[in-house]
Amino acid sequence: EVQLVESGGGLVQPGGSLRLSCAASGFTFSSYEMNWVRQAPGKGLEWVSYISSSGSTIYYADSVKGRFTISRDNAKNSLYLQMNSLRAEDTAVYYCARGPPIDYWGQGTLVTVSS
Amino acid sequence: QSVLTQPPSVSAAPGQKVTISCSGSSSNIGNNYVSWYQQLPGTAPKLLIYDNNKRPSGIPDRFSGSKSGTSATLGITGLQTGDEADYYCGTWDSSLSAGRYVFGTGTKVTVL
Repeated sequence: EVQLVESGGGLVQPGGSLRLSCAASGFTFSSYEMNWVRQAPGKGLEWVSYISSSGSTIYYADSVKGRFTISRDNAKNSLYLQMNSLRAEDTAVYYCARGPPIDYWGQGTLVTVSS
Repeated sequence: QSVLTQPPSVSAAPGQKVTISCSGSSSNIGNNYVSWYQQLPGTAPKLLIYDNNKRPSGIPDRFSGSKSGTSATLGITGLQTGDEADYYCGTWDSSLSAGRYVFGTGTKVTVL
């Protein structure tokens, strides 16, 4: 069974940093592209970042470019999102998602940016 | 600021059919496969349709997808109360120098 389990969310002040992790199991992690997708409270889905299976290709949404860094450790079956210079508008549930096509999602971890 | 446009809401009685449109452009829907996701209240999204019209294992054939040009459509027949959810389309977009994945604005389905 494919499982994606996010962790690392929490309350952080504006300008602060946070590192999200996603533990993958039930599939050959190193063979799959991965993404981070977020959803602000009461809002729609927003794609944040993509990383290829080897980690050689990375894309970011304009809204996070220069502040967020996606990475992966295929030996540990893990995906990461380093978030720096956080803003109030980054408050959202962050999902780890396999693909494209995005076929599996984690349960999400809530990031709240507030003073 | 989603680049894929969906109607905010659709509704129908139990047993009826609804369709949800997803309008894009040549840089996304026109040249890439479309997926559809269902998000029940308080839960993570779930894949309903991929590659325009394919259903993952376990998704009933009441759900169908199609694509024509720069638009895609999700159909739900035999509507059930358990289908009340938000639905999103999604696809890859290659309009910029780097790729990005884009989602639709989302459609709330209400069973009357």
